[in-house]
Amino acid sequence: GQNIDQPTEMTATEGAIVQINCTYQTSGFNGLFWYQQHAGEAPTFLSYNVLDGLEEKGRFSSFLSRSKGYSYLLLKELQMKDSASYLCAAKSNDYKLSFGAGTTVTVRA
Amino acid sequence: DVKVTQSSRYLVKRTGEKVFLECVQDMDHENMFWYRQDPGLGLRLIYFSYDVKMKEKGDIPEGYSVSREKKERFSLILESASTNQTSMYLCASSLTSGRALAGKNIQYFGAGTRLSVL
Repeated sequence: GQNIDQPTEMTATEGAIVQINCTYQTSGFNGLFWYQQHAGEAPTFLSYNVLDGLEEKGRFSSFLSRSKGYSYLLLKELQMKDSASYLCAAKSNDYKLSFGAGTTVTVRA
Repeated sequence: DVKVTQSSRYLVKRTGEKVFLECVQDMDHENMFWYRQDPGLGLRLIYFSYDVKMKEKGDIPEGYSVSREKKERFSLILESASTNQTSMYLCASSLTSGRALAGKNIQYFGAGTRLSVL
């Protein structure tokens, strides 16, 4: 079975840094995705990690430790438009994803 | 630009009605998926399809069926809608592994259909 855990909510100030943690227990693990979902909109792809380490893409970075079943998404220089839900998803075979419940990030001025 | 289109943003149906949710993608993707999204539960996979006329049950298939007659179209069917099927339904598509760059089968999502069953 699959078990994906991430915090429900986080709040941070504009310009700050926020780290969203995700732990997973997934049989046949084969990669970790992060998606962003604004209220009422479709989830959109942010990052993908399959090897251990940090992947940086502009203000967003994602980290994976396969041995610990752990990932995080780091959001730097927070902007108001970053207020959204962030979804952690573990890939367990060629195409299936198991999603966490999502972390709602609120950015305050 | 990639595009996954769901036929309706909002639907209101009555208990016992047969409901069709349509999804079309224009990216020539092999894989297509139907999820439902409920507060506190995240996205849960209902059914997926990896080829035309092929379908596989996801984690919560009870009460649903699907149809994939053409590569670009994947339909979700509620044979007899019930109130516990009130939810946000999301369709997604992705390339098969053999065509995806570095195994990165990114799933692209439609905007969702919010279904209310009364």
